Amino acid sequence: AQSVTQLGSHVSVSEGALVLLRCNYSSSVPPYLFWYVQYPNQGLQLLLKYTTGATLVKGINGFEAEFKKSETSFHLTKPSAHMSDAAEYFCAVSLTSGNTPLVFGKGTRLSVIA
Amino acid sequence: EAGVTQFPSHSVIEKGQTVTLRCDPISGHDNLYWYRRVMGKEIKFLLHFVKESKQDESGMPNNRFLAERTGGTYSTLKVQPAELEDSGVYFCASSQDFWFSAGTPGSYGYTFGSGTRLTVV
Repeated sequence: AQSVTQLGSHVSVSEGALVLLRCNYSSSVPPYLFWYVQYPNQGLQLLLKYTTGATLVKGINGFEAEFKKSETSFHLTKPSAHMSDAAEYFCAVSLTSGNTPLVFGKGTRLSVIA
Repeated sequence: EAGVTQFPSHSVIEKGQTVTLRCDPISGHDNLYWYRRVMGKEIKFLLHFVKESKQDESGMPNNRFLAERTGGTYSTLKVQPAELEDSGVYFCASSQDFWFSAGTPGSYGYTFGSGTRLTVV
């Protein structure tokens, strides 16, 4: 069985500060890992995904995440937060890149303070 | 290309009533998923269609929930009768498989709809 743990249900950062959202997973097979973002009153939008290959994955809006197998982690980072980054972020794991269900973490709400 | 469309976007019904949610996937996507997020909890998988067949319905909470995907196109999720604990946001996602030249399966990934916020009062 797969599971995802997101540390911190709510993270606050100042505008311009580093964003770090933590995600740890468990999986019995090599995982496919995803980060999604949900802006207010919108659906889930894919930020980035890890399937195979390079462990540092770059996504949209300046976000990136690094797959660390030894730590079973896939933390999301952004060097400098913008006000527009305020949203809820979800880490998810799957057995495949699209044809099996995703297992989500509980989400982390990011607030950006001016 | 049109995205995944869900409607209604919001629905408020009384306990005991019936509600039907609809999802129109991206045209040509064989895989269709339903997920639900109850307030304060994680997004949970409900079921997975491949074309018109239910591939996995292990996440359906009980027999008050009925999902269909006639003709392998759009899907409906009916809740009958609705209970208070059914309140939440229902998401639909679709994806399309492809095959690498080596014969291994792949996918272009999941596209989510905007969700239906269901409130049972």
